[in-house]
Amino acid sequence: QVRLVQSGAEVRRPGASVTVSCTPSGYPFNDYNIHWVRRAPGQGLTWVGWVNSKTGATNYAKAFQGRVTITRDTSVSTAFMQLRSLRSDDTAVYYCARRYSGWPFYFDFWGQGTLVTVSS
Amino acid sequence: VMTQSPLSLAVTPGEPASISCRSSQSLLNHDGYNYVDWYLQKPGKSPQLLIYLGYNRISGVPDRFRGSGSGTDFTLDISKVEAEDVGVYYCMQSLQIPLTFGGGTKVEIK
Repeated sequence: QVRLVQSGAEVRRPGASVTVSCTPSGYPFNDYNIHWVRRAPGQGLTWVGWVNSKTGATNYAKAFQGRVTITRDTSVSTAFMQLRSLRSDDTAVYYCARRYSGWPFYFDFWGQGTLVTVSS
Repeated sequence: VMTQSPLSLAVTPGEPASISCRSSQSLLNHDGYNYVDWYLQKPGKSPQLLIYLGYNRISGVPDRFRGSGSGTDFTLDISKVEAEDVGVYYCMQSLQIPLTFGGGTKVEIK
C-alpha cells in the first residue's frame, strides 16, 4: 500500500537549519512529485514548494524563497526539505504529499507530519 | 487568494453544512475543469483529499460530500453531518503554482 514516511520531530534554535525527509513506498517514485505543506499553530495550511521526482526541478512559495531547498535522491527514493535561518514562526508541522505527475493531479497521500519547533 | 467562509461551523448531527470558497481569480481552465480541491484535516491527523477538480469525490469519500461551483465561487456541501466529519476543511486552487489554500473552516458537532 502507498505510504509516505517522514523523519521525526526536530527542535532547533533560531537561525539554525533543519532537514526533513519523506520516504514514499508502494508506488514508482518517479510517477509522483513531492510537495511540502506546513501548518503552524493556530494557522491554516501553507504550501511550501515541490520537487519533480523524475527531473529534480523545484519551485518554491515566495515566502520561503532563499531559505528553503527541496531535493530528492532517487537512489533511496526519498525527498528532502531543508529550511534555513529558522525563526520562531517557522514552528509548525511539515507534511509531504504526493501529486501525480500526469493528470488529474491532487494530493492523494500525505506523510504523517514532522513537528519542527524553533525555540531559544 | 482563496477566501473561505465561515471560519467555523457548529452542526447538529444529521443536519446539513455548507462551506464557501471564493477565489480572487477564475479557476476555470481552458480544458473546462475548475482547478479547486477540498481537503479535510481531522484532529491530530494529516489532511485528506475529499474532492478534486471542483466536484469529483475521491474513492472512499461518502456521497454526503458534494463539491460544486465554477469560476471564482465554490461550495462544499455535507448533506447530513456525522460525528466523524469534525475537523478543518480547506479549499485549494491547483490551477497554478504557487498552490494556495483557503484559510480553513472548522466544523464542530453541537
